[in-house]
Amino acid sequence: DIVMTQTPLPSPVTLGQPASISCRSSQSLVHSDGNTYLSWLQQRPGQPPRLLIYKISNRFSGVPDRFSGSGAGTDFTLKISRVEAEDVGVYYCMQATEFPTFGGGTKVEIK
Amino acid sequence: QVQLVQSGGEVKNPGASVKVSCKASGYTFTSYGISWVRQAPGQGLEWMGWISAKNGNTKFPQKVQGRVTLTTDTSTSTAYMELRSLRSDDTAVYYCARVAAGSWDFDYWGQGTLVTVSS
Repeated sequence: DIVMTQTPLPSPVTLGQPASISCRSSQSLVHSDGNTYLSWLQQRPGQPPRLLIYKISNRFSGVPDRFSGSGAGTDFTLKISRVEAEDVGVYYCMQATEFPTFGGGTKVEIK
Repeated sequence: QVQLVQSGGEVKNPGASVKVSCKASGYTFTSYGISWVRQAPGQGLEWMGWISAKNGNTKFPQKVQGRVTLTTDTSTSTAYMELRSLRSDDTAVYYCARVAAGSWDFDYWGQGTLVTVSS
């Protein structure tokens, strides 16, 4: 199985400031079809997960443009350009290049 | 709008089975697949399997192979997950998620169903 590793944010984030969440995979996520099936999900407290980003950098319908995804191969990043109160929650990276696996989650808290 | 509405919470004894439903609306059911994901209390996400609503093909991780059955009823646009031989560590919220054909994007999620396994 591909192992997805996320690191915690160093500290709570100040409203209006940027936040960057990292995710690393145990092997390359480039599929034989040329796509990289790396997604980012947001889970607000008490809510189901919600798709934010798919295939590394594509924002899903209705997702604010302050969210962006980047990366390649085994290293990926989700950036929030200016954190808002509604962004509080846990963010998961997920790979589906092989059978889907998820990172352990990164909690975003507001200072 | 796309909606996935799941059945209500269940309490089961160890060794029993549970069947959770996921009723889809707002899109053509047979044009997508359904994946099931669970989340133990305070824990992360674990994929439980996928079914094509078009032809019933399934995929499962090795960990649950043999204990999980996924089915669909295209007449009611409903997907089902049955988990057998329940153990205490199966206690979790179970989610269904729509999966676009050929993409593995889990783009819409159900509200979740809490399954509690306790004697």
